[in-house]
Amino acid sequence: RKEVEQDPGPFNVPEGATVAFNCTYSNSASQSFFWYRQDCRKEPKLLMSVYSSGNEDGRFTAQLNRASQYISLLIRDSKLSDSATYLCVVNGERTTDSWGKFQFGAGTQVVVTP
Amino acid sequence: DARVTQTPRHKVTEMGQEVTMRCQPILGHNTVFWYRQTMMQGLELLAYFRNRAPLDDSGMPKDRFSAEMPDATLATLKIQPSEPRDSAVYFCASGLGRRTAQTHTDTQYFGPGTRLTVL
Repeated sequence: RKEVEQDPGPFNVPEGATVAFNCTYSNSASQSFFWYRQDCRKEPKLLMSVYSSGNEDGRFTAQLNRASQYISLLIRDSKLSDSATYLCVVNGERTTDSWGKFQFGAGTQVVVTP
Repeated sequence: DARVTQTPRHKVTEMGQEVTMRCQPILGHNTVFWYRQTMMQGLELLAYFRNRAPLDDSGMPKDRFSAEMPDATLATLKIQPSEPRDSAVYFCASGLGRRTAQTHTDTQYFGPGTRLTVL
């Protein structure tokens, strides 16, 4: 079983609609959580960090559920430019001298259609 | 606008040849990561450094891969000898390497990648 799992999609979303998807992680000691966006043949770019209380950035809302060990991303009022692959990133338990292991999910593809 | 830079952007080589990829992290960042991305495996962490010291290279095939940071502005990843299965996009990322209760400064910033094809 992979440490970070995502539904690969694709999620086909009409422009203006809302889409949400989850990412599950297996290491209960994980401390940091992120969503990255990756466009085709480009590098991953930070979309948002995921705080324990949940956070919102414009049309994007991220939530963390430690009890069930998943994070979610919700995109409201989808734009054509939101079409991308969304990578879930979890940073595992950190020792005093180490960052811990960053684990990337395989990504969820979102396709926003006109 | 500070960015991670990587060279070369594209590399085509023949099996058995040495390949060297270079990365310039964002100035002031103390942690550098090397990743490999393929369609089949997704994004895999190969190695990472903090303050130029290797912290973890367990994701890297030791017999043919090596990673170094000769100085704070340069990280290198070498493959010798290269094999067709090494064909992938290799990303370098850098970060600040600390986190507080208020901030997530362990955010990573990725370079544009080196697209390697080994024939």
